[in-house]
Amino acid sequence: EAQVTQNPRYLITVTGKKLTVTCSQNMNHEYMSWYRQDPGLGLRQIYYSMNVEVTDKGDVPEGYKVSRKEKRNFPLILESPSPNQTSLYFCASRPQGLSYEQYFGPGTRLTVT
Amino acid sequence: ELKVEQNPLFLSMQEGKNYTIYCNYSTTSDRLYWYRQDPGKSLESLFVLLSNGAVKQEGRLMASLDTKARLSTLHITAAVHDLSATYFCAVALIQGAQKLVFGQGTRLTINP
Repeated sequence: EAQVTQNPRYLITVTGKKLTVTCSQNMNHEYMSWYRQDPGLGLRQIYYSMNVEVTDKGDVPEGYKVSRKEKRNFPLILESPSPNQTSLYFCASRPQGLSYEQYFGPGTRLTVT
Repeated sequence: ELKVEQNPLFLSMQEGKNYTIYCNYSTTSDRLYWYRQDPGKSLESLFVLLSNGAVKQEGRLMASLDTKARLSTLHITAAVHDLSATYFCAVALIQGAQKLVFGQGTRLTINP
């Protein structure tokens, strides 16, 4: 089944404890993105990647890191999480080309205390 | 800086009625998406609109794009309860094919 998977789905952690949220897609898509969703703000793009080893900042990259060493994986790293990073995070992927739709993962709900 | 505004943000309507959600954006773009999100769920792609005058329809939903006015509409015809959800538009920056800016979302409730 074609899908985008994220792990973990739920995470409660403490301020300053490094964490990684994994994202994997099995559709051989070139483009991948990370978003955070907060009430009243819609979705905001954190980082995106256009292919292996090619990443760029979205609108809210502060406090996050990403890497794209393999085409299928695009992990999101929080080196020192803070409470303002409590949010719902979505990973998404799509193939290259203007018209292709984007496929979203199931989401990761992160709480930083 | 690209800004995307949806209105209304909240919409309560009766089954059988028609209504339109508006998505305005502030700079030139080459691509606009519409998504649906059910409570506690991920986003589902509805439409991708690429050119001025583009119109796409799926069931009771129809989306259109006017690039000159920087406006997209999502029209709901003869609403049914199953269409209750939050709807988002998202606009791509023309220079960055993968950089997307989302609207705030429109929470649609359809009452029997």
